[in-house]
Amino acid sequence: QLQLQESGPGLVKPSETLSLTCNVSGDSISSSSYYWGWIRQPPGKGLEWIGSFYYSGNTYYSPSLMSRVTISVDAPKNQFSLDLSSVTAADTAIYFCARHRSSADSWGQGALVTVSS
Amino acid sequence: SYVLTQPPSVSVAPGQTARISCGGNNIGSKLVHWYQQRPGQAPLLVVYDVRDRPSGIPDRFSGSNSGNTATLTISRVEAGDEADYYCQVWDTYSDHSWVFGGGTKLTVL
Repeated sequence: QLQLQESGPGLVKPSETLSLTCNVSGDSISSSSYYWGWIRQPPGKGLEWIGSFYYSGNTYYSPSLMSRVTISVDAPKNQFSLDLSSVTAADTAIYFCARHRSSADSWGQGALVTVSS
Repeated sequence: SYVLTQPPSVSVAPGQTARISCGGNNIGSKLVHWYQQRPGQAPLLVVYDVRDRPSGIPDRFSGSNSGNTATLTISRVEAGDEADYYCQVWDTYSDHSWVFGGGTKLTVL
């Protein structure tokens, strides 16, 4: 059974880098023909795609966040990570990782990250 | 970038049919997906590729797509269907961006 689990600090200071990791079990992020991505949801607001990578190595980012986002992969640990730099209060959100092709069939439970001094 | 427009809210009585729209320029040419999100939970895929349902999703959930509007239809609405619903498309022709609609709050009266 596929499971995704986000982990990382729940509190980040303004101007610093937000870092989260998604641990995957039940599927291989480096060999399955899926994309693996990050989506966020500010409190009380809608969903926003951040970026995704394909198992072959290609990475895609939201145009609005591209300058601050990096998604990296640790294949031996079967996990992938999100780094979002120069954060502000507007980056406060629940961050989800997900497996997808055109649509996302599996999601993590989400991790709340608050940006505050 | 591509924009999807949903009504903020839809209300329906139990047993009736709810229809949630998702507007976008020539959306009829795209594969549209729908997610249900209950408070405090991750989104759940309820319809993909316009009209297909994942395993375990009741056939009360159906989708259609034509012209500039895609629609999620929920028949015989139950109290448990009360949730936020999001449409989504994947723009594979430009930058592989995922785009979500703003979400619709379904209230069961």
